[in-house]
Amino acid sequence: KNQVEQSPQSLIILEGKNCTLQCNYTVSPFSNLRWYKQDTGRGPVSLTIMTFSENTKSNGRYTATLDADTKQSSLHITASQLSDSASYICVVSAYSGAGSYQLTFGKGTKLSVIP
Amino acid sequence: NAGVTQTPKFQVLKTGQSMTLQCAQDMNHEYMSWYRQDPGMGLRLIHYSVGAGITDQGEVPNGYNVSRSTTEDFPLRLLSAAPSQTSVYFCASSYGRVDGNTIYFGEGSWLTVV
Repeated sequence: KNQVEQSPQSLIILEGKNCTLQCNYTVSPFSNLRWYKQDTGRGPVSLTIMTFSENTKSNGRYTATLDADTKQSSLHITASQLSDSASYICVVSAYSGAGSYQLTFGKGTKLSVIP
Repeated sequence: NAGVTQTPKFQVLKTGQSMTLQCAQDMNHEYMSWYRQDPGMGLRLIHYSVGAGITDQGEVPNGYNVSRSTTEDFPLRLLSAAPSQTSVYFCASSYGRVDGNTIYFGEGSWLTVV
């Protein structure tokens, strides 16, 4: 069964500090890995999409890394801002045959940035 | 550009009532889907559609119906609501099948069944 595990479950950091969120997956055959940001009461918004051949991708202060060998990904947030307070969701896509793909969602990491 | 629009935002139903959650996208996306998000769980796929006239079941389809008569609209119907269907529902769309394409989510519909 495909699984995506995220850690930590929640995290509190001071404004201006950096942090790293982790995602481990057991998904096969792997197609791509996505990170989403979900503000409280809103829908998820895409941050990055990485394929097997990509090991780093940035989107402003967000940098995602992927190690396809160890099946791990991380999302690094630099110089955090209050607006970074949100849940961050790791999503892994697997090929399921006949041109179809299955997405497996992690439970998310809830980040709180405090002044 | 509105993106993915869901209505209503909030709804309270009594057990056994029926209702339809509306979803519309203005990006001419072929692929549309419905997810539910429950506390302590990742998003789970209810139904999806790869184009007008084509729908298929996802991971948790029981108790829900869908149809896709146009490219833009993908309503989700609850025929006889149950308390287990209390959840937050998200509609999503993407250009073509999901692989490699950005998935755009609506703002969510909070449903409570009492």
